[in-house]
Amino acid sequence: DAGITQSPRHKVTETGTPVTLRCHQTENHRYMYWYRQDPGHGLRLIHYSYGVKDTDKGEVSDGYSVSRSKTEDFLLTLESATSSQTSVYFCAISDPSDSYNEQFFGPGTRLTVL
Amino acid sequence: AQTVTQSQPEMSVQEAETVTLSCTYDTSENNYYLFWYKQPPSRQMILVIRQEAYKQQNATENRFSVNFQKAAKSFSLKISDSQLGDTAMYFCAFMTLASGTYKYIFGTGTRLKVLA
Repeated sequence: DAGITQSPRHKVTETGTPVTLRCHQTENHRYMYWYRQDPGHGLRLIHYSYGVKDTDKGEVSDGYSVSRSKTEDFLLTLESATSSQTSVYFCAISDPSDSYNEQFFGPGTRLTVL
Repeated sequence: AQTVTQSQPEMSVQEAETVTLSCTYDTSENNYYLFWYKQPPSRQMILVIRQEAYKQQNATENRFSVNFQKAAKSFSLKISDSQLGDTAMYFCAFMTLASGTYKYIFGTGTRLKVLA
């Protein structure tokens, strides 16, 4: 299994509070991604990173920011959480050197915003 | 923009039977990759099978095979000899390198239940 961990695994917070989710990889993969999974929507890309300090927006980036100061860590921040951000969040990694172009996923973080 | 459509939100199959999950996609690119991922109740996403668009031969992995029809932009997954452990959500995904970025687009998923 690819070495990807997410923390925390579960979090309950209140509307208006800041929240930071962490993704950590030990594979030295160049690309890292944050997705949210909601019923009826599948996985939707929030932000992704193609290198240290190189990030770009996905299709549902409003209300989220990211940072990547080291190859192994990719942080997702909800500056002021809202109930619509209640979801399961997945981190994923991939690398151009992988001819299979496979994405490897972390275990997910269930976030509940009350 | 590329899109991926899974038109079957839920399906069920009897143990040992065969089931086919459908996936269609839309793209103007010629070189791309297609994937099927499995998400069991544990929530862990697991790659089931992948297909390169430039390969005409359909990919197979043990009991899992695909029917890739490039002209029709169709990529269905066939599960043979279904097992209880195949009960999961299945996601079809698409990736192209044309834009210079490695972004993956997922369908909305098909929830498969294997019945004993």
